[in-house]
Amino acid sequence: GEDVEQSLFLSVREGDSSVINCTYTDSSSTYLYWYKQEPGAGLQLLTYIFSNMDMKQDQRLTVLLNKKDKHLSLRIADTQTGDSAIYFCAESGAAGNKLTFGGGTRVLVKP
Amino acid sequence: DTEVTQTPKHLVMGMTNKKSLKCEQHMGHRAMYWYKQKAKKPPELMFVYSYEKLSINESVPSRFSPECPNSSLLNLHLHALQPEDSALYLCASSQITVGELFFGSGTQLSVL
Repeated sequence: GEDVEQSLFLSVREGDSSVINCTYTDSSSTYLYWYKQEPGAGLQLLTYIFSNMDMKQDQRLTVLLNKKDKHLSLRIADTQTGDSAIYFCAESGAAGNKLTFGGGTRVLVKP
Repeated sequence: DTEVTQTPKHLVMGMTNKKSLKCEQHMGHRAMYWYKQKAKKPPELMFVYSYEKLSINESVPSRFSPECPNSSLLNLHLHALQPEDSALYLCASSQITVGELFFGSGTQLSVL
């Protein structure tokens, strides 16, 4: 079945860049997503990338996709304390809207 | 309006109770979802509705009963739950052909 993996934890200093990595196994995925979840809250869609793209930039966020290696990354430039949260990557599968999530990466931003 | 609204935000129920979780969206999305999230774990898909019809049931126990009364509303009826069913229940919606899911803030459920 599908499998999505992420590292558990990332600590970064305020103002530095953060890079969160994700690997997935389903090569038929149509979309790959990054979601942010703050404590006690639902999931906020940050950005997504279509599987035929290799990069997408949206303000402070840059998504890189290496489809050959099935590797996805999210770079947050100028990380702020408000960026402290759990970040989930997810792949959509061939159908496009049945998401499988990674285990989440807890990002802690230190002042 | 780009919101998915879930009520109640918190729910405590006993194992013999019957309760319902509600979800509403007004984005014109024709796919709606229920996810279950245990603490420190990723969300797990429970049900998918497409055009008000149940299209995916991820082998969820029958004590969870979904209902989609119209294209804007999604309910999850709960009966005879177990303590291990305590979790955050998340509703989401999307357009059918574009997989961008919008999530509600969830209902934190505790079963005593």
